[in-house]
Formats: sequence, structure tokens, C-alpha cells
Amino acid sequence: QSALTQPASVSGSLGQSITISCTGTSDDVGGYNYVSWYQHHPGKAPKLMIYEVINRPSGVPARFSGSKSGNTASLTISGLQAEDEADYYCSSFTSTTTLGVFGTGTKVTVL
Amino acid sequence: EVQLVQSGAEVKKPGESLKISCKGSGYTFTNYWIGWVRQMPGKGLELMGIIFPDDSDTRYSPSFQGQVTISADKSISAAYVQWSSLKASDTAMYYCAVGGGNDAFDIWGQGTMVTVSS
Repeated sequence: QSALTQPASVSGSLGQSITISCTGTSDDVGGYNYVSWYQHHPGKAPKLMIYEVINRPSGVPARFSGSKSGNTASLTISGLQAEDEADYYCSSFTSTTTLGVFGTGTKVTVL
Repeated sequence: EVQLVQSGAEVKKPGESLKISCKGSGYTFTNYWIGWVRQMPGKGLELMGIIFPDDSDTRYSPSFQGQVTISADKSISAAYVQWSSLKASDTAMYYCAVGGGNDAFDIWGQGTMVTVSS
């Protein structure tokens, strides 16, 4: 099972909006609404930011939002903050294994 | 408070065996899948497999099938991953997390660093 495809890096200035894409196939991202997004600061445990494509867990700032179109899911961070600088991973259920599969990861840099 | 607490860092030699643990508290351990996730140095997250502690139903990602064994002891709310013969390429940070299958991983352990070196 191949990893979902994400851009290696995305950058934006404080206060700007950025979008991270996550491309899969009809066997995973395109076929199910089980896409989640994780924020990972080095040395800390990953943190769930979005689940089931669009839902934010309690405590996650509203500036984080998710969406999906076809085989590509997206995470948008509106009003970028310094603390948003981290690695971000998407994940999706895949019918290939009936498990989840992670994306390749995107390093977000706040300029 | 819902939390997963993992065992401490390990330094092992190639060929040695190892079992690391993940202990849950603050929720009904048997009702939720637990997943194990590997992060090799400088690399991304990889799902190793998941286990349902109530009946120990276990599913492995293809790359990890036959390479590790995932288990659980519901009597003490613990999940494990073990290696029978470690390789240098097993050097990584290992995380456990609540979730798997359709469910997102919403609670994560702090991670266990495993270093395999001669």
C-alpha cells in the first residue's frame, strides 16, 4: 500500500492562509469519508486536527479546516500562527488493507 | 484523563528480542482499537497495525506482517509490539494511539524510541 501524496513543504507568512493537499485513489481518499489530519511537532506525539474529512476535535482552533474533492483531501490553515509550524500528515482508510494509510507528510514553515 | 503511557527508550543489539508496551487509562480499554505507528529517523509516519483489545483481533499493514507481533492484555489495559530478532533498520520512534480502521487516532502515547546498534 503506497503512502498518500502530500507536498514536501508549504510555507506562509503570519496571518496568511495555506492549504496542504493529500492525494490518493478511489480505494482510499476518494472512496471514503475517513480522512484525518495530524499535526506533529518534533519530539512530541502527533495530534489529531481533523477527522472524517471536515470535523475538528474539541480544542482544535477553528482556523484549521478540512475538505475533499475527488481523490484529493485538503487541510487549510487560515490566519497562520507561529505555533502552527510543524509537520502535517493526512491519513485515510483504504479498502486495500482495511486499515489506514498515512500521507508522505508536509513541513509547514511560518515565515 | 484519557491517556496512553508507553514504556521507556530501549537500546538493543541486532538479533536481540524486544517487547515494548502501551498502557491505557481513563477510558474503557477494551472498547477501542489501538494502533502502532512507526517513525524512522527523518521519515514519515507509518501504520504498523492495529489490535482490538477485547478479543485481540489484530490486523497488520503489509510491510509489517511477519516482522513484528502486536498483542494486548486486557486485564491490565496494555498493548504491546514485539520483535524476535531486531535489525538496525528497526531503529525508530514507535507510537501507540487509540483508533484505527475507520477511526482516526485521537489519543497518542508519548512514544518509545528504539535504537538498534552493534
